[in-house]
This record gives sequence, structure tokens and C-alpha cells, in this order.
Amino acid sequence: AAGVIQSPRHLIKEKRETATLKCYPIPRHDTVYWYQQGPGQDPQFLISFYEKMQSDKGSIPDRFSAQQFSDYHSELNMSSLELGDSALYFCASSLGGSGNTIYFGEGSWLTVV
Amino acid sequence: ELKVEQNPLFLSMQEGKNYTIYCNYSTTSDRLYWYRQDPGKSLESLFVLLSNGAVKQEGRLMASLDTKARLSTLHITAAVHDLSATYFCAVDNNAGNMLTFGGGTRLMVKP
Repeated sequence: AAGVIQSPRHLIKEKRETATLKCYPIPRHDTVYWYQQGPGQDPQFLISFYEKMQSDKGSIPDRFSAQQFSDYHSELNMSSLELGDSALYFCASSLGGSGNTIYFGEGSWLTVV
Repeated sequence: ELKVEQNPLFLSMQEGKNYTIYCNYSTTSDRLYWYRQDPGKSLESLFVLLSNGAVKQEGRLMASLDTKARLSTLHITAAVHDLSATYFCAVDNNAGNMLTFGGGTRLMVKP
């Protein structure tokens, strides 16, 4: 069965650079979520989209932005990268909202040097 | 603000033993998720609990939800080494678009 696809899987950026992460949800899923997981930490919610509209916003820095496109894929754009942005970034998707299983992708490892 | 606490945060147990992981949360919610994560890997969905008194079982794992006590448990029966992983509970904000995770329980099962 198709899963949530994220790219790239790994990237290394320097401070103050920009990075873009891509997410392709499970086909027919209408809700996409982004989470950030620092080393040894629990995942922290960043932002979510339902039917291409932003639905919830968590602890996402102003330097980050995200959107969901007409084909339901989503991109997380991160600018002015800081060392503290180094983390595993997960995209997740679900069909509908509350109460449905939320499936996570394999994650994108971002290292800022 | 919704807070989710798990305990213990670290658990080392022998194969064949039973144990329970606890997940407490601070505000009203009747949607709770359990995930498993191997080091550096994705979050694998284990259970979705949607109502007070819900109980679900899969293999050696059983999860339950008490919404009145704001408590979920993940019970491990006759642990095996393959269950070694970090287990997270996560609570829905009732709008379905934001999960708040507990701190995770790192489980090590020794042969």
C-alpha cells in the first residue's frame, strides 16, 4: 500500500540558508500535517492543511512557511536556517479529520551546520 | 494548553515479563493515539482509541482509554526483544488537526 512520501530524506544546509521539504500524502488523503522532532524529543506539531487550506498552526517559527497544492502534495519552506532547526521533519496524512489514523512518512533529516 | 505526560520515560524489562505504560493528559479529549518509533525511523501507528472505555489489542500490546480520568494505558504482555522501541501516546485537540505527543517511553527488552 502507498505510504506518505517525503523528500529529500537527508539534507545538509548552512546557517542562514533556505531549505524546502516535500511531502506526498497517501492517495485520497485530504489532510496533511507537519511535525518536527529534535534529537531525543517528542514530535512537535508545526502546521496542518485540510483540503489545501491551512487548518491548524502550532509551534512553527515565522521563518517557516508551508502550503498544500492542488494535487494535495505539501511543501515546508524554511528560511534563515539556524543550528536549532536541525531535526527530523515528519509529514503525515489522514483521510478526514479527527479520529482517523494519521500515517507518518519516513521523515526528512535536516542538519544545519 | 494541552499537556500529555507519559511514564515511565525509560523502561528496561526482561523477556516474558508484563508491564504497563501510562499516558495522562490535561484537557478533555476522547481521541488518543499510540505510536511506535524505532531509532531514526518513522512513527508507526499502533492504536487509535476513540471513546471512553475503548480497548484495543494487537499481539502482545493492549491499549485502553479512560476519558474521565484522562488516562490511557499501553499494556505489554510477555515482552519479547522485538518490542524494543520508543512508544508515544498522542492526544487529539478534538478538531482533528493537531496531535500533542507525550514525551515517549523508551522500552528495552532484554533477552
